[in-house]
Amino acid sequence: EAQVTQNPRYLITVTGKKLTVTCSQNMNHEYMSWYRQDPGLGLRQIYYSMNVEVTDKGDVPEGYKVSRKEKRNFPLILESPSPNQTSLYFCASSLTRDSRTDTQYFGPGTRLTVL
Amino acid sequence: AQSVAQPEDQVNVAEGNPLTVKCTYSVSGNPYLFWYVQYPNRGLQFLLKYITGDNLVKGSYGFEAEFNKSQTSFHLKKPSALVSDSALYFCAVGDRLSGSARQLTFGSGTQLTVLP
Repeated sequence: EAQVTQNPRYLITVTGKKLTVTCSQNMNHEYMSWYRQDPGLGLRQIYYSMNVEVTDKGDVPEGYKVSRKEKRNFPLILESPSPNQTSLYFCASSLTRDSRTDTQYFGPGTRLTVL
Repeated sequence: AQSVAQPEDQVNVAEGNPLTVKCTYSVSGNPYLFWYVQYPNRGLQFLLKYITGDNLVKGSYGFEAEFNKSQTSFHLKKPSALVSDSALYFCAVGDRLSGSARQLTFGSGTQLTVLP
């Protein structure tokens, strides 16, 4: 089944404890992206990647890191999480590099709480 | 800069009635426009998009949207609402002039509730 998977689905952690949220797609998609969803703010893009070893900042990259060493995986790293990073996170992918025109496929989401 | 507005946080409609979820946008060039739907505890799912061509776009589950350039709008519509349409709906816009390095901008979302 074609899908985007994220792990973990739920995570409660404490301030400053490094964490990684994994994202994997099995559709051989070029483009991958991370978003955070907050009430009243919709989805805001954190980072995106147009290809292996090619990543770039979105609208809200502060406090996050990403890597794209393999085409299928795009982990999101929080080196020192803070309470303002409590949010619902989505990974997405699309076949082509132009996210303006191509349909994105979203993972199920990771709900992160930072105490 | 590109932006998108969904002026209604919440829309309630009775089952069987027509529904409209509003979206307006602002871009420098011509827009690319999307609607996505999010059911509870799920990721977003693609509904429909306008890239070019016919202003009336038909999508999944009986939804359609009309691109109106003069009003800079892309409202989502369905002739007869179902209780199962209850979900959070997101409009998104991309700018044709910006080049592929610029991403989509999503609206804040509209919660649609269809009452039985």
